[in-house]
Amino acid sequence: NAGVTQTPKFQVLKTGQSMTLQCAQDMNHEYMSWYRQDPGMGLRLIHYSVGAGITDQGEVPNGYNVSRSTTEDFPLRLLSAAPSQTSVYFCASSRTRRETQYFGPGTRLLVL
Amino acid sequence: RKEVEQDPGPFNVPEGATVAFNCTYSNSASQSFFWYRQDCRKEPKLLMSVYSSGNEDGRFTAQLNRASQYISLLIRDSKLSDSATYLCVVANNDMRFGAGTRLTVKP
Repeated sequence: NAGVTQTPKFQVLKTGQSMTLQCAQDMNHEYMSWYRQDPGMGLRLIHYSVGAGITDQGEVPNGYNVSRSTTEDFPLRLLSAAPSQTSVYFCASSRTRRETQYFGPGTRLLVL
Repeated sequence: RKEVEQDPGPFNVPEGATVAFNCTYSNSASQSFFWYRQDCRKEPKLLMSVYSSGNEDGRFTAQLNRASQYISLLIRDSKLSDSATYLCVVANNDMRFGAGTRLTVKP
């Protein structure tokens, strides 16, 4: 039982490049979410999903896309990376939106 | 105004001390409350849920005051291993995190 896994752990991008951050969970959780964490800001919700085929925007969705084709996977796509997207990205899952969330180890992204 | 506000810290305390963290939230419809712990460069992990009647888990006590929209965490007999950032979390339609309070416990 791996819990929530994320890849890659680290990534450096140039402005304008695109990439996909991978997230998978093996707990059969319906709710999955993506956060970014910046110094002094706490975790901010980017996008979330309440089940396969259903996604919605969080607080800071601009510049990011998500899809949920299976219960297990919830990738986050950066369409055209900008320096403002330099951050630590965490994926999380839970049974429902109001229950304990389990986090992946994070992806540290630097956009130059 | 942020939805969830915490004491900014940092708190630097000696081993054995008692320390309290406070958190306020703005959405009166919030339904679930948590304290998470985050170690440096690691992911947040659940410390404890917070129930209306208050709850205790060993050296940790959490309190919720819905009327004042206020949550607290009390740590007794602090250990070096308690050094971390503590995140207050409030859930309604989604989870909102406070910016965290950094605690350093010193020998």
